[in-house]
Amino acid sequence: EAQVTQNPRYLITVTGKKLTVTCSQNMNHEYMSWYRQDPGLGLRQIYYSMNVEVTDKGDVPEGYKVSRKEKRNFPLILESPSPNQTSLYFCASSPSSGSSYEQYFGPGTRLTVT
Amino acid sequence: GENVEQHPSTLSVQEGDSAVIKCTYSDSASNYFPWYKQELGKRPQLIIDIRSNVGEKKDQRIAVTLNKTAKHFSLHITETQPEDSAVYFCAGGDGGSQGNLIFGKGTKLSVKP
Repeated sequence: EAQVTQNPRYLITVTGKKLTVTCSQNMNHEYMSWYRQDPGLGLRQIYYSMNVEVTDKGDVPEGYKVSRKEKRNFPLILESPSPNQTSLYFCASSPSSGSSYEQYFGPGTRLTVT
Repeated sequence: GENVEQHPSTLSVQEGDSAVIKCTYSDSASNYFPWYKQELGKRPQLIIDIRSNVGEKKDQRIAVTLNKTAKHFSLHITETQPEDSAVYFCAGGDGGSQGNLIFGKGTKLSVKP
C-alpha cells in the first residue's frame, strides 16, 4: 500500500531533550516536506527536500533540522525543543514529475513540549 | 517567494447551498494550484487541482477557477452536504522539479443540516 508513515504519532517531552520524528514514504517520491499545523495559522512549512542530499528552508525553520540521506526517509530533528514547538506535525511527499504533483500526507505527529 | 492568502477563514452554509472559498497568490511564476480537504482529526487530502494553462476544472460537485491575470483562484462547492464540513486549504507553487508548494491558512467550512 502506497503511504507516508510518521513515528511517533504522539510525543510528550521536556524542554531541551533532543528528539527525532521519522518520516518514510514507499512511493519513490523525489519531493518531501515537513509542516507544522497550529490553530488559525494553517500549514506552515518547516523544511523541504527536492531530492536526496537537497534540502531547503521553509517559512519556519528555526529550531529544526532535517536530513535526506535516502530517498524514502526525511527525519525531522529538534535539537533542543521548546514549548513553542508544541504543535501537530505533518510530513508529506510528492512526485516532482509526471501527470500529478499531489502531496501525500502522513498521519501526523502531535508533539507536546513541557 | 510565494505568498498565498485565503478567505474567508470560516464559512457557514445551509445544506444544499453553494460555498465559495477564494485565494490569491503573489508569484506570477506559480503554475500549480491544488485544494486540500482536512476532516477533523485527519490528514489533509487532495480534492482537486488546476494548472495555469486551464481556466476551470470540475469534478462532480466541486470546481476550481483560476484567473492568472488577477492572480486568484477559487473553490466552488455546489449542493453542499454535512460531510463537506471540514477545513479546506488552497496552495500555490511551481509543481514539479522547479519549485515548492505554499499553503493558505485554511477555511473552516460548516454545513448545517
